[in-house]
Amino acid sequence: SQQGEEDPQALSIQEGENATMNCSYKTSINNLQWYRQNSGRGLVHLILIRSNEREKHSGRLRVTLDTSKKSSSLLITASRAADTASYFCATDNAGNMLTFGGGTRLMVKP
Amino acid sequence: DAGVIQSPRHEVTEMGQEVTLRCKPISGHNSLFWYRQTMMRGLELLIYFNNNVPIDDSGMPEDRFSAKMPNASFSTLKIQPSEPRDSAVYFCASSLEGAGTEAFFGQGTRLTVV
Repeated sequence: SQQGEEDPQALSIQEGENATMNCSYKTSINNLQWYRQNSGRGLVHLILIRSNEREKHSGRLRVTLDTSKKSSSLLITASRAADTASYFCATDNAGNMLTFGGGTRLMVKP
Repeated sequence: DAGVIQSPRHEVTEMGQEVTLRCKPISGHNSLFWYRQTMMRGLELLIYFNNNVPIDDSGMPEDRFSAKMPNASFSTLKIQPSEPRDSAVYFCASSLEGAGTEAFFGQGTRLTVV
């Protein structure tokens, strides 16, 4: 079963705009990760945020985590056409397993 | 390291046939995950190994599915007999330590059962 659920399911923006994707999860976590998947490829890790962290940055990516609301957001600033991909959040659950949400399909139009 | 290596990249088989998918994790990683991805069900965790031992296989859909990890550098996922509804992309991923560290994914095996 999926632990995380992303919102929105699909997002279309113009190049240069910011993209925000949200993830909600059900049970307590030790950490939350975001991954990216280009069409027909494997997933690539973007960032990991631990439960005692509230915000983390990596280049044009900003991730926030609100454990009281069981939610996280991924912000991509100044988006580029090359950012077009699906983005997934993943959480650890009991048993140290990594489970993924349904993903957000991001389209960045040039 | 070449990353997680899966083979074959594509597999087309007839219903009822046995299918074996292979995975070589990154050297030094002690955790290995098998996932199945479909449009309808998204990315499903099938089984998780830690130090070559299956820790949780609750995601394995049916008895037709089995997975092994005979050593730290090799794992297989077998479907016997295969059915059309098994058609999906199967991913293998490895990490240093379970879900607490970054997981590295292989390129996947696209399985089509006709």
